[in-house]
Amino acid sequence: GQQVMQIPQYQHVQEGEDFTTYCNSSTTLSNIQWYKQRPGGHPVFLIQLVKSGEVKKQKRLTFQFGEAKKNSSLHITATQTTDVGTYFCAGSSGGYQKVTFGTGTKLQVIP
Amino acid sequence: DTGVSQNPRHKITKRGQNVTFRCDPISEHNRLYWYRQTLGQGPEFLTYFQNEAQLEKSRLLSDRFSAERPKGSFSTLEIQRTEQGDSAMYLCASSKISGGYHNEQFFGPGTRLTVL
Repeated sequence: GQQVMQIPQYQHVQEGEDFTTYCNSSTTLSNIQWYKQRPGGHPVFLIQLVKSGEVKKQKRLTFQFGEAKKNSSLHITATQTTDVGTYFCAGSSGGYQKVTFGTGTKLQVIP
Repeated sequence: DTGVSQNPRHKITKRGQNVTFRCDPISEHNRLYWYRQTLGQGPEFLTYFQNEAQLEKSRLLSDRFSAERPKGSFSTLEIQRTEQGDSAMYLCASSKISGGYHNEQFFGPGTRLTVL
């Protein structure tokens, strides 16, 4: 079955440093979404990527979808303490296929 | 509040008992998803509905689990003969259909199940 892995599993950064998490799927995806989950909270949608090679930016966050539509990345520039949480990618192979969430990257920002 | 709501928020039950959870999606959303999440893991897909039709079901969903969405609005998830391994947060999410693929999902606060 479809597997979606993320690396790293954990990342501790000093406030102001950059952060990147990578998402890799075992199958080609029709689209990919990114979610953020704060401790004790539920996942909150950040963005969706659909096109091969697509890049989208949201303020300090940059999202990329790979050319082969099997991988994606999220990059945060100059992290802030408000960026703390676990970041998940989620993808589907299309049609009526299920949505598979990645294993997540837990980000801790040290002030 | 017009977000996704779930009831109850917490459920403690004894092994072997049946439990039922309810999810009320955002009213104009036609897709509804159920996930299970354990500590330190990502949400694990259980099933999803498009209107009242159950379109996909994880093979992880054993015959003890069943979900319904009878009128295409709220949904229920039932677990029969609960086991300690069923202890988890059960998340519901809803979305609108657009473009032929899964779109932005809005998650509810979840129901935390503890099986003693």
